[in-house]
Amino acid sequence: KAGVTQTPRYLIKTRGQQVTLSCSPISGHRSVSWYQQTPGQGLQFLFEYFSETQRNKGNFPGRFSGRQFSNSRSEMNVSTLELGDSALYLCASSFTDSGTDTQYFGPGTRLTVL
Amino acid sequence: QQQVKQSPQSLIVQKGGISIINCAYENTAFDYFPWYQQFPGKGPALLIAIRPDVSEKKEGRFTISFNKSAKQFSLHIMDSQPGDSATYFCAASRETSGSRLTFGEGTQLTVNP
Repeated sequence: KAGVTQTPRYLIKTRGQQVTLSCSPISGHRSVSWYQQTPGQGLQFLFEYFSETQRNKGNFPGRFSGRQFSNSRSEMNVSTLELGDSALYLCASSFTDSGTDTQYFGPGTRLTVL
Repeated sequence: QQQVKQSPQSLIVQKGGISIINCAYENTAFDYFPWYQQFPGKGPALLIAIRPDVSEKKEGRFTISFNKSAKQFSLHIMDSQPGDSATYFCAASRETSGSRLTFGEGTQLTVNP
């Protein structure tokens, strides 16, 4: 079974631009979660989607948004990029939306904001 | 009340030694405690997980010890190998609150040959 895939793997943007990141979950998985990883803040939860509905949202500004499609693929969007948005953005998928279900992470998208 | 605190930040052990990483949580509603392993350039991968109804779980060289009253849990890596060199994250979640993981700060483990 193919793992979680994320595209693109690397991205360089400038302040004020917007960016869209994509995540394809493991086949059959219906839950997709997004996390931001930085050296200073560690791994922080952004949001979770299950069956095209946002189930949870972390403590991030409204510039961060996401959506999930009927095939469970998910995208996250960051508008009006700031230098502090530079991070590794990780997507994780699981079969259900239970907190005890194993989450499988993709390799991440490395976003650099100049 | 959502925090998970992890220590140490970094750890160096000799091959064959025991690596111990500790975590403490605040929210007593957490009911699932996984450990993730992350290699450079890769996403985190589940290593082992425990529910609070057991005090210890062992899988191969990896053991989780859980102390519900102290709200602490730890990862023990026996017979540590250079291939275990990675960053380890403890995490916590609630079964009924969706797939939201609250992570510790991470421990960078180096196992010297």
